[in-house]
Amino acid sequence: EVVLRQSPGTLSLSPGERATLSCRASQSISSNFVAWFQQKPGQAPRLLISGASNRATGIPDRFGGSGSGTDFTLTISRVEAEDFAVYFCQQYDSIPYTFGQGTKLDFK
Amino acid sequence: EVQLVESGGGLIRPGGSLRLSCVASGFTFSNYWMSWVRQSPGKGLEWVATISQRANEKYYVDHAKGRFTISRDNARNSLYLQMNSLRVEDTAIYYCARTENFGPYLPQPLFDYWGRGSLISVSS
Repeated sequence: EVVLRQSPGTLSLSPGERATLSCRASQSISSNFVAWFQQKPGQAPRLLISGASNRATGIPDRFGGSGSGTDFTLTISRVEAEDFAVYFCQQYDSIPYTFGQGTKLDFK
Repeated sequence: EVQLVESGGGLIRPGGSLRLSCVASGFTFSNYWMSWVRQSPGKGLEWVATISQRANEKYYVDHAKGRFTISRDNARNSLYLQMNSLRVEDTAIYYCARTENFGPYLPQPLFDYWGRGSLISVSS
C-alpha cells in the first residue's frame, strides 16, 4: 500500500501570500497518477489537480501542481479568502487507492 | 451540471446491513466507471470500491471484500453499495464519485465529481 504523508499539517497564511503544500509517497507513483482535492466544512472534496499537474475544469490558474516519483507539491500562487480549506493528495496508480491525511490552510 | 445524490444512510447496529444508493444526473452515466469513497474522523478519506461501466469489473479495498458489494443500474442512472456485517469502524460519510479510468489493465481511477455524502453510524 502506498502511504502518502502531507506536510505541513496546518499552514497559516494571509490573503495574497503563496502557499506550498507537500505530499510525499512511500514508493514511486508511476505516470504521476496523483490528484489534489480541496474540501470545505460540510462539503464533498472537489478535484483541483489530476496527473500531478493538470488543473481540473473551472479551477483558477493560481492553483498549480508539480512533482514526480515520490514528491508532489500543490502551490497556490496568491491565496484568496475562498481558498481557506483542507487539501488532500491522492494516488490513483495502484490498489488500494490512498489519500494523504490532509493539510489545513487557515487564516493567519 | 454533474450531480450525484446519495441516500440510504443512518444508524445501524454492529452486524447489521445497509444499502446505499446514488442517483446521477448531468452526464451519461453508462459511459463512466463509478466509485464509493468514505471519510471518517479517525481514518480520513478511504477508497472503498470501484465498478466499471458495464459492471463486469469490480474492485474493493481489502476490508470490504466479502462484506460489501458495489453494483449499478445504468437504466436508472444509479449506483449502489450493499454493506453487510457492519462494524463500528465502518462509521463514516460515504461518498459516491464519478470515476475516469486511465488504466489499460487494472483501473487507475480519477474521482472527478463527488456527491454530498451519506452518513452511516454503526453503534450498539
